Amino acid sequence: DAKTTQPPSMDCAEGRAANLPCNHSTISGNEYVYWYRQIHSQGPQYIIHGLKNNETNEMASLIITEDRKSSTLILPHATLRDTAVYYCIVRVASGTGTASKLTFGTGTRLQVTL
Amino acid sequence: NAGVTQTPKFRVLKTGQSMTLLCAQDMNHEYMYWYRQDPGMGLRLIHYSVGEGTTAKGEVPDGYNVSRLKKQNFLLGLESAAPSQTSVYFCASSLGLAGFRSYEQYFGPGTRLTVT
Repeated sequence: DAKTTQPPSMDCAEGRAANLPCNHSTISGNEYVYWYRQIHSQGPQYIIHGLKNNETNEMASLIITEDRKSSTLILPHATLRDTAVYYCIVRVASGTGTASKLTFGTGTRLQVTL
Repeated sequence: NAGVTQTPKFRVLKTGQSMTLLCAQDMNHEYMYWYRQDPGMGLRLIHYSVGEGTTAKGEVPDGYNVSRLKKQNFLLGLESAAPSQTSVYFCASSLGLAGFRSYEQYFGPGTRLTVT
């Protein structure tokens, strides 16, 4: 699995867009980019994933560069409840019956402030 | 739709005692997982199941046993608790389809276990 690099921390003002970068320069063609977050003392929460096209859902947008070597998770209007550690994970789609083990690195600690 | 639930939320055990953690999901997911998370560390997979009646070892299975008698439930057992098993335990589930959906995992709120 490709290694990912994220900044250790970021701040964002409430109501503004939070743009969280992730570098995955060694990503291979069949690896997907997944984003999770973990709010303090809670279980991790799936946010979004993508392969090469930009993706959007009710929580966030995922922008993947054309060469797929980096991506950005965008929270369009950050709120205090978005304060969490955000994890970027790159994984190959698993085969049937195999374990789809998630491995979280250190992630980016996003602090949303008033 | 409650998603993934875990019981209990907190537990304190003495060394050598046994207990069972219960995970339940109402999303009809095929795959279920047990992870542990220690302070300042990421998740580590203990055991997982790809369907009712099946279980398999993850990366840190020693000291734990699991059972998946019903599709919606995944039990994690500690036969003889040790202080090294003090941790936060998370259960997760995902669709059993091959491919990218298997990494779209839904987690429970966690069980905080302390072994003294």
